[in-house]
Amino acid sequence: SAVISQKPSRDICQRGTSLTIQCQVDSQVTMMFWYRQQPGQSLTLIATANQGSEATYESGFVIDKFPISRPNLTFSTLTVSNMSPEDSSIYLCSVDSRADGYTFGSGTRLTVV
Amino acid sequence: QKEVEQDPGPLSVPEGAIVSLNCTYSNSAFQYFMWYRQYSRKGPELLMYTYSSGNKEDGRFTAQVDKSSKYISLFIRDSQPSDSATYLCAMKGAGGGNKLTFGTGTQLKVEL
Repeated sequence: SAVISQKPSRDICQRGTSLTIQCQVDSQVTMMFWYRQQPGQSLTLIATANQGSEATYESGFVIDKFPISRPNLTFSTLTVSNMSPEDSSIYLCSVDSRADGYTFGSGTRLTVV
Repeated sequence: QKEVEQDPGPLSVPEGAIVSLNCTYSNSAFQYFMWYRQYSRKGPELLMYTYSSGNKEDGRFTAQVDKSSKYISLFIRDSQPSDSATYLCAMKGAGGGNKLTFGTGTQLKVEL
């Protein structure tokens, strides 16, 4: 199955600032997914990133708050903009490995103070 | 009502016990069913991936899907302390798009 490297693994940020999370995959994939995992809640899909096109955002998530880049078939970034304490969460990238199912990165634990 | 319901636990069992983890769902369009294991401070790791109804076995793990009841289960035989983790069910439809819908996860602790 695909191997995903995600960084940073954790960060503590001041409110009002932005953080960019990187996701690198060891093989070419069509779609990459960004999830948020809040304490005691399900993983929630933020957006789907296709190479060469705008990301598709789920209800409740907007591009101004969570801009995504997908410059090639092995890399994507998610930016959490103008952060507030409510953005404190774990952010995960994922790819669909087809025969092997969906693979996740190790996550970025974000704390906004 | 959530699309996928999962008891959050925590569930505590002695080493060697058989563990049963379950999810119910409401969307009859779900066709693919997955179980993930997530250790603290790690990303989810895929354990089982099944299509439609039936059973699938892999070592100490057995996944069951009953689409008529909209109910899926994961059984862990001869549980070990290393099985202590949060177990997440996830599912998706066969149609366009690859969106997974997750349960909230069940926290399992296997005691020595």
